Amino acid sequence: QQQVKQSPQSLIVQKGGISIINCAYENTAFDYFPWYQQFPGKGPALLIAIRPDVSEKKEGRFTISFNKSAKQFSLHIMDSQPGDSATYFCAASTPGGTSYGKLTFGQGTILTVHP
Amino acid sequence: DADVTQTPRNRITKTGKRIMLECSQTKGHDRMYWYRQDPGLGLRLIYYSFDVKDINKGEISDGYSVSRQAQAKFSLSLESAIPNQTALYFCATSDPGTSGGYNEQFFGPGTRLTVL
Repeated sequence: QQQVKQSPQSLIVQKGGISIINCAYENTAFDYFPWYQQFPGKGPALLIAIRPDVSEKKEGRFTISFNKSAKQFSLHIMDSQPGDSATYFCAASTPGGTSYGKLTFGQGTILTVHP
Repeated sequence: DADVTQTPRNRITKTGKRIMLECSQTKGHDRMYWYRQDPGLGLRLIYYSFDVKDINKGEISDGYSVSRQAQAKFSLSLESAIPNQTALYFCATSDPGTSGGYNEQFFGPGTRLTVL
């Protein structure tokens, strides 16, 4: 059962454009929502993360928007650059107990930024 | 991340063979994980271990087994490989105590496994 649904599966944008990747979750117990970035031939690496007590978090050109009532969160990449071309995964986890720290990942989005 | 290493990086094997993928880490983390990545399915958790004596099944553990030989080493075995186990496999580590409770996971470079 896929508890985190990610879209689109692939995305092509022009340099300088805005890239938007969306995720929706089902489990209301999730309390931590990270985004991971993966370059070809590498393992994923944490890009940015948010907790549900805030609606937005910004780090440089990367912003997470969080909508708790809709159970959705999204990654916005402003002024997209060719170096941002990678696969992006959203994820979610629950607090406490033996499940603490387990991440449920979305299906991934392959982002291509054309020069 | 050079702190998490996986061997081999690529492996081609035949149906029915037993194969072991190894993961080592120098980060000093107690928690280790094995994932597989398939196009369109994202990363799915196979097994995880919160310390040397703790092993837990993930969402897709059938056909796999693991061994936590030490804090730094976590191996994944395919007892009898089948073609639908062809995938990219990742090991990861974490320590919530050193990441502000966010439990950031640090991934190795992956092993590309092909089962013919």
